[in-house]
Amino acid sequence: EDKVVQSPLSLVVHEGDTVTLNCSYEVTNFRSLLWYKQEKKAPTFLFMLTSSGIEKKSGRLSSILDKKELFSILNITATQTGDSAVYLCADGSSNTGKLIFGQGTTLQVKP
Amino acid sequence: DAGVTQSPTHLIKTRGQHVTLRCSPISGHKSVSWYQQVLGQGPQFIFQYYEKEERGRGNFPDRFSARQFPNYSSELNVNALLLGDSALYLCASSLLSGPNEKLFFGSGTQLSVL
Repeated sequence: EDKVVQSPLSLVVHEGDTVTLNCSYEVTNFRSLLWYKQEKKAPTFLFMLTSSGIEKKSGRLSSILDKKELFSILNITATQTGDSAVYLCADGSSNTGKLIFGQGTTLQVKP
Repeated sequence: DAGVTQSPTHLIKTRGQHVTLRCSPISGHKSVSWYQQVLGQGPQFIFQYYEKEERGRGNFPDRFSARQFPNYSSELNVNALLLGDSALYLCASSLLSGPNEKLFFGSGTQLSVL
C-alpha cells in the first residue's frame, strides 16, 4: 500500500532560523509529490515535484526531490511568525488523481 | 475569481443523524474530491468525481456517498453518523482527473457529532 511519512511531527523555532521538513514515500509507479501549507483550514498549494522537476523555489521556500532515496525536503529560510502552520506532503501519482497525505509537520515560529 | 467554496462551515449533529455537505469548485474545474481530516492527521481521501462520474473511492463505509451535478458542484452525504465521523471535511477541485494534478482546497466543513 502506498505510504507517505513526514518528520518531524512538530517543530518549534525562532524567527530567522532555517528549517528543514522531511517527507519519505513508498509509492508504486511514482509520478509526483506535492507540498501544501495549512494555516487554519484550507491547505494551500506550495510545490509539485515530478520526475522532470526535482527542485522548486519560491522566495524563502524551496523543495527538492530525491527519486533514488524516495524522499523530499522542504526548506524555509529566515523563518517568520507567518510561516507557523501545518505543512503537508502528499503523493500525487494515482491515476484517479487522489492525494495520499502524510501526517503533517506542525511548525511554530516564535518571535 | 472565487476559490473552492464549502457550506456549511460548521455543523453539529447527534449520533444516527444524516448530514449533507456542499462544495462549489473553482470556475472551469471539472473534478471534485472529498477528504476527511481528523485532528492531528493528514487528510484522508474519500471520493473523487470527474464529469459527474465517480473516479475513485477511499476506504470509507457505505454510509458515505457523494455525487456531482451538471454544474460540477458536489455533495457529500453521511448517514447514521457516528462519534468517529467528527472531523474537518475538505473539498478540493482540479481542472482534470489524473496524476500530477494540483488540487485546490476549500476551507472545509467542521462536523461535530455528539
